Amino acid sequence: ILNVEQSPQSLHVQEGDSTNFTCSFPSSNFYALHWYRWETAKSPEALFVMTLNGDEKKKGRISATLNTKEGYSYLYIKGSQPEDSATYLCASHTGGFKTIFGAGTRLFVKA
Amino acid sequence: GAVVSQHPSRVICKSGTSVKIECRSLDFQATTMFWYRQFPKQSLMLMATSNEGSKATYEQGVEKDKFLINHASLTLSTLTVTSAHPEDSSFYICSARAVLETDTQYFGPGTRLTVL
Repeated sequence: ILNVEQSPQSLHVQEGDSTNFTCSFPSSNFYALHWYRWETAKSPEALFVMTLNGDEKKKGRISATLNTKEGYSYLYIKGSQPEDSATYLCASHTGGFKTIFGAGTRLFVKA
Repeated sequence: GAVVSQHPSRVICKSGTSVKIECRSLDFQATTMFWYRQFPKQSLMLMATSNEGSKATYEQGVEKDKFLINHASLTLSTLTVTSAHPEDSSFYICSARAVLETDTQYFGPGTRLTVL
């Protein structure tokens, strides 16, 4: 994989549903993996940064895991709420200090 | 803390004019600022990296004479789109990396540029 790929592109869930989405990134020359939450008309907000294989981070109902050997990260949202509606971006930070972004997963949570 | 502002949020201009976009770190000093461009349904694409007091480093395919970047202080970087054309219409967003922090980027809210 040469690029950072996110799937699905968009996701519609009902309030209360748990959901997850994927970020795939180049596993070579890996330095760090970032997740951002981007609400419409606002600045992207940093959620997590993970560096070690097997890392798991949690912030409230949102958690993320990292597999650097196979080059993927999952973001989980437990009990989705309408305020979770946003685009979730992942970005891979390589050893050359370049950050490559995925196109994002757009989450819509219906009340 | 770690707020980045960007101005203007939206600009519409005529073809051939130049447009300046400002990116400010409001409550921290940013040694490095990044400028990204995003086309609809695509990723944020890095255009250039600017370090305070030195020339910006442009990514391959980005014309430095077209997209002028100035980073004159630790809290301000500007991107000037010179002689804008309709194909320059896009969403431009900046981010800043704080002194002593090597990993986290703090983003501005972006600027929507429309060139008629």
